[in-house]
Amino acid sequence: QVHLQESGPGLVQPSQTLSLTCTVSGGSISSGDHNWSWIRQHPGKGLEWIGYLYNSGTTHYNPSLKSRVTISGDTAKNQFSLRLSSVTAADTAVYYCARDLVKYYGSGSYSSMAAFDIWGQGTMVTVSS
Amino acid sequence: VLTQSPGTLSLSPGERATLSCRASQNVLSNYLAWYQQKPGQPPRLLIYSASSRAAGIPDRFNGSGSGTDFTLTINRLDPEDFAVYYCQQYGSSPRFTFGPGTKIEIK
Repeated sequence: QVHLQESGPGLVQPSQTLSLTCTVSGGSISSGDHNWSWIRQHPGKGLEWIGYLYNSGTTHYNPSLKSRVTISGDTAKNQFSLRLSSVTAADTAVYYCARDLVKYYGSGSYSSMAAFDIWGQGTMVTVSS
Repeated sequence: VLTQSPGTLSLSPGERATLSCRASQNVLSNYLAWYQQKPGQPPRLLIYSASSRAAGIPDRFNGSGSGTDFTLTINRLDPEDFAVYYCQQYGSSPRFTFGPGTKIEIK
C-alpha cells in the first residue's frame, strides 16, 4: 500500500524559500508510471495544483507559480521535493503531495487517469515574520 | 475554469444530493474527477474519468456527464457524506484545475 508523508518547516519568513519533502513508501518514484504532484490549499479555500514530477526528472508546473517553483526527486531516498521561492503571506497554505491514478491494461501498457488517488496528510506552512 | 453549483447544499440523511460542475471548455478526454474532503483530512478520490468509481467507493456515489457539464449524484445521503466536494479537470495548462467546491451540510 502506497503511503505519502510530507515534511518540512511549518513557518517560513517572507521572501525566503519554502522547502518541503514528500517521502514515498510502498511505491517507487522511479517506476516511471506515475506522476508525483504537489497541491496546496489556502486556509478555508479550494485546491491549487502546483506541479508534478514524472519519471524522476521531468517536471510540469502551474503557469501561475512556474517562475518560483522547483520540484525534484531523490530516487535513493524515494522522495520528491518542492521548493517555492520568494514566498509571501499568500503562500500560506496546507501543502499536499499526491500521486496520480494509473490504469494498467496488460502487456506493459498503462495510462494515467488524470486524478489523484493517493494523498499525504498535508502539512501547514505559514509565511510570517 | 471550473464552476461548481450550488455553493452549499442543505439536505437530510437519506436524501439525494445532486452536485454540478461546469467547465469553461470541453474537458480533455472527459478526465473529470470528484473528491470528498472532510475537515482536517486530505481530499479522497470518489470518481475519475467522469463516471468511474474509485476503489472502495460505495455505489451510492455516481458521476455522469461529458464535454463541459458534469454531475455527481449521491443517493441516500449517509451521515458520513456531509463534507465538501470538489471537481477537478485535466487540461493543457495548467494540467490540473479544481472547482471551488460544494459543501453538503445537514439540514
